[in-house]
Amino acid sequence: DTGVSQNPRHKITKRGQNVTFRCDPISEHNRLYWYRQTLGQGPEFLTYFQNEAQLEKSRLLSDRFSAERPKGSFSTLEIQRTEQGDSAMYLCASSEDRGSYGYTFGSGTRLTVV
Amino acid sequence: AQKITQTQPGMFVQEKEAVTLDCTYDTSDQSYGLFWYKQPSSGEMIFLIYQGSYDEQNATEGRYSLNFQKARKSANLVISASQLGDSAMYFCAMRERSGGSYIPTFGRGTSLIVHP
Repeated sequence: DTGVSQNPRHKITKRGQNVTFRCDPISEHNRLYWYRQTLGQGPEFLTYFQNEAQLEKSRLLSDRFSAERPKGSFSTLEIQRTEQGDSAMYLCASSEDRGSYGYTFGSGTRLTVV
Repeated sequence: AQKITQTQPGMFVQEKEAVTLDCTYDTSDQSYGLFWYKQPSSGEMIFLIYQGSYDEQNATEGRYSLNFQKARKSANLVISASQLGDSAMYFCAMRERSGGSYIPTFGRGTSLIVHP
């Protein structure tokens, strides 16, 4: 297993366009998390899946943000009608049930909205 | 309200010296976990160390140790024998139960610079 994989690494989009990011977690990890990180800040929690169930989505930043994990494996994060304020690094992490081994992060997708 | 507070935006340390990065947390839960992560300039988040709220011993991992003071709600990271490669952002995080979920929350981070 090569760890958590995120694609694309970079995305430049025009304001108003929709974007979708993909995260492939470590295969035996059933928990998957999405975070946003802006410059000089810590990761900000967005949403969380256990297998295919989205157990926490109240922290998604607006109704323009949505996430899916249809078969309990990979996940997608979509931002509709992007705004310049959406420019940030979007991080995905996965973990086992216990969580005490820490959360394994991907390298992130850097979004730039122009 | 800020759950994780890291009061040191930046720290400097001489190579081979020890350094302590501060972290305080706020929770009403009895069961929670505390983590430290390192983020070099390349951007990846690297897990360093974990402390469970019921663990009586301070966690250690190589040159990293976590000074856990439960009554003070403090979970400071101690890096011994600093190396140039330790220069990075360091984030403290807490996992606590929120409804039926465990949600990890991160602090704003401390920038550590190790100079020769």
